[in-house]
Amino acid sequence: QKEVEQDPGPLSVPEGAIVSLNCTYSNSAFQYFMWYRQYSRKGPELLMYTYSSGNKEDGRFTAQVDKSSKYISLFIRDSQPSDSATYLCAMSAGGNNRLAFGKGNQVVVIP
Amino acid sequence: DGGITQSPKYLFRKEGQNVTLSCEQNLNHDAMYWYRQDPGQGLRLIYYSQIVNDFQKGDIAEGYSVSREKKESFPLTVTSAQKNPTAFYLCASSMGYSYNSPLHFGNGTRLTVT
Repeated sequence: QKEVEQDPGPLSVPEGAIVSLNCTYSNSAFQYFMWYRQYSRKGPELLMYTYSSGNKEDGRFTAQVDKSSKYISLFIRDSQPSDSATYLCAMSAGGNNRLAFGKGNQVVVIP
Repeated sequence: DGGITQSPKYLFRKEGQNVTLSCEQNLNHDAMYWYRQDPGQGLRLIYYSQIVNDFQKGDIAEGYSVSREKKESFPLTVTSAQKNPTAFYLCASSMGYSYNSPLHFGNGTRLTVT
């Protein structure tokens, strides 16, 4: 079983819809969770960063962490064509532990 | 503007040749990293460096080498020993090597070896 599982998609949604992305993980020591956005032929950029369980909101983006289920989610409200990208989840147990990445989920927002 | 510069954007080499990918950062970050990204595989760590003149192997270091002679620079050499070198290579940096130092990525170098 891989440490981090993420459905690669692609996920196509109409403009204005809510995009829902998720990752599951197996390592119960993970406590720092990140979402990166990667446009085609570009490097990933940090979108959201959360610690432990709970929700975090930033504009149209909401990150949720459910440590009891080992499940994290990213929601994008009022999706725009500019949200079309690959979204990668990443997580760490902290300290000197490395980041574990999901494979990335491609999202296409159709105008 | 602070950031990470990777060059070149595209690189083509013949099999059997070594090739060096450049990575420079002006963020004054201590830690630097090299990742490889393949379709359907996610990001895999090749090498990382926490301080100047020190670096550690990541998960897939075989066939690669690095140096860290300056804080700003972390070049990656893909040697002829790397069996499948064609990939998208990403350099990253962080303030420190720990959980609360998010990675900042460059825009990558796409290497094609034929």
